[in-house]
Amino acid sequence: SAVISQKPSRDICQRGTSLTIQCQVDSQVTMMFWYRQQPGQSLTLIATANQGSEATYESGFVIDKFPISRPNLTFSTLTVSNMSPEDSSIYLCSVDIQRDQETQYFGPGTRLLVL
Amino acid sequence: QKEVEQNSGPLSVPEGAIASLNCTYSDRGSQSFFWYRQYSGKSPELIMSIYSNGDKEDGRFTAQLNKASQYVSLLIRDSQPSDSATYLCAVNKNNDMRFGAGTRLTVKP
Repeated sequence: SAVISQKPSRDICQRGTSLTIQCQVDSQVTMMFWYRQQPGQSLTLIATANQGSEATYESGFVIDKFPISRPNLTFSTLTVSNMSPEDSSIYLCSVDIQRDQETQYFGPGTRLLVL
Repeated sequence: QKEVEQNSGPLSVPEGAIASLNCTYSDRGSQSFFWYRQYSGKSPELIMSIYSNGDKEDGRFTAQLNKASQYVSLLIRDSQPSDSATYLCAVNKNNDMRFGAGTRLTVKP
């Protein structure tokens, strides 16, 4: 498995502001993923972040709203831009450790409340 | 049709019983299958993975895969109150992981 940390663990933000979430892994991984989990719902993939290339976004998610950086093989950031109350959610990063056959391990999550 | 379907529950079993959680998926080309446990307020935790037809056992957990029927299940033997959580079924194809909505399990003492 992998040790994954996220910062911040939680935040309360005002409408119209932006928040950048960091994800750090203790080993080099090729693929990192960002998910959103709204209250009482399952996980929805926002985008896949590959080192050295632009992130690949899922339908319904756009780079202007959720810009992602992946500067190296152990780190990624997700920014939630121009926030509205509908962005209140848990944001999770996960990593794919290839040797574990496409198994994904999750970070502890960032709990975001937008007022 | 949803890509990954689970009964949302809640599923309630008495302590010591077998809990049976089921999942169906729509893409026949799916390659790997996972069960995650998620406690309230926590992130998903991997408990089982299975890649080929049949059963795979790990302690009190048994995962069953039937690719012909596009069906994955998780059995929890000797259920404990600490097993009370939401169980997410996940199906992966070419690094595209899709999650079910989860089944909420309650184990009553």
